[in-house]
Amino acid sequence: AQSVTQPDIHITVSEGASLELRCNYSYGATPYLFWYVQSPGQGLQLLLKYFSGDTLVQGIKGFEAEFKRSQSSFNLRKPSVHWSDAAEYFCAVGPNRDDKIIFGKGTRLHILP
Amino acid sequence: EAGVTQFPSHSVIEKGQTVTLRCDPISGHDNLYWYRRVMGKEIKFLLHFVKESKQDESGMPNNRFLAERTGGTYSTLKVQPAELEDSGVYFCASSLDRVGNLFYGYTFGSGTRLTVV
Repeated sequence: AQSVTQPDIHITVSEGASLELRCNYSYGATPYLFWYVQSPGQGLQLLLKYFSGDTLVQGIKGFEAEFKRSQSSFNLRKPSVHWSDAAEYFCAVGPNRDDKIIFGKGTRLHILP
Repeated sequence: EAGVTQFPSHSVIEKGQTVTLRCDPISGHDNLYWYRRVMGKEIKFLLHFVKESKQDESGMPNNRFLAERTGGTYSTLKVQPAELEDSGVYFCASSLDRVGNLFYGYTFGSGTRLTVV
């Protein structure tokens, strides 16, 4: 069965520090992979997606993610975080044949001033 | 283009009452999805419409939930009667049809935060 694991429920980093959020997936075929962000009081915003091609994907707000098939991972990175990056981040995989996307449980990012 | 619109953005109702959530997808998107996030849990699929037809409703938790998409445009999700465990954020998303095997991805709305007290 398809699944997504985000092993870190909470992560705290200092403003200006680098960030890496982990995501591992289990999927029977070549996956579509996504990272979404939900800021407080906001909806789900797509940060970036991987369908095929270059395994290093650039997204909005300075985020990037790297697809590593051998590790079944799609980790999200940012070289220098800003206070406005404090939010909850969701990794997702899919779709399966019926276009259903499977989400991880999310990682809440806290930023120290 | 306008995005996916959901309203209300927040709703607080008493246990046993009825609530109706609405989603307006992006114009031209035949696929419409409802997802839900209960507090502390992952975002879970509820159902998928293709135009006005229910393609997959395997995620609907029970028969207190009724989704409709009359005319293949906007969709409503009614909860009747609401229970405490229905509290959470309800997301709607829409997408274009696949072309061949290419999936274009979803666009999510901003969600409706439902609180049942």
